Amino acid sequence: LAKTTQPISMDSYEGQEVNITCSHNNIATNDYITWYQQFPSQGPRFIIQGYKTKVTNEVASLFIPADRKSSTLSLPRVSLSDTAVYYCLVGDMHRGAGNMLTFGGGTRLMVKP
Amino acid sequence: EAGVTQFPSHSVIEKGQTVTLRCDPISGHDNLYWYRRVMGKEIKFLLHFVKESKQDESGMPNNRFLAERTGGTYSTLKVQPAELEDSGVYFCASRFGTGGTDTQYFGPGTRLTVL
Repeated sequence: LAKTTQPISMDSYEGQEVNITCSHNNIATNDYITWYQQFPSQGPRFIIQGYKTKVTNEVASLFIPADRKSSTLSLPRVSLSDTAVYYCLVGDMHRGAGNMLTFGGGTRLMVKP
Repeated sequence: EAGVTQFPSHSVIEKGQTVTLRCDPISGHDNLYWYRRVMGKEIKFLLHFVKESKQDESGMPNNRFLAERTGGTYSTLKVQPAELEDSGVYFCASRFGTGGTDTQYFGPGTRLTVL
């Protein structure tokens, strides 16, 4: 399983764009990159998933360079409610692959007023 | 649509006692996972059910842990006898899993405290 490395913590202010970068140098050909968000006393919640280039949804954007050895989660105009731990996960998400998720330490994002 | 539910939300027991955690996945999700985070550690995979069958139980720490999913619906995770190091948050997740890149939906977790 590909190991991921991401900053332990980040601070931001309301209204700013936040970019969290994750390194995954040993990513395999079949691996997808998935980001989860976790609030205190809740389970992780899926944010976004991608394989290459750029993916955007109503919550975030995910940028993946051509070599796929890293990825950047971009949160536009964060608010206080975006304060959470963000996990970058890498794994084979196809049917039959098991899809066991391997969590790292995550990035604790603190959004300040 | 109801999400993944877990019961109880908190459990405090003494060392040596037995505790049973329950997870109700999203209706129609064949895949059910158990994870846990013990104090100060990362969330770790415990096991994976496909319907009522154990697909992967490589993460189960020892034989004091027993997971079941009779009928392929809800699942239980029994810890017997509980030890101090079992304290932590136990998460359940479910996934539809008919193809593509299906994501996992997590429940709120059960916080287990062993005294």
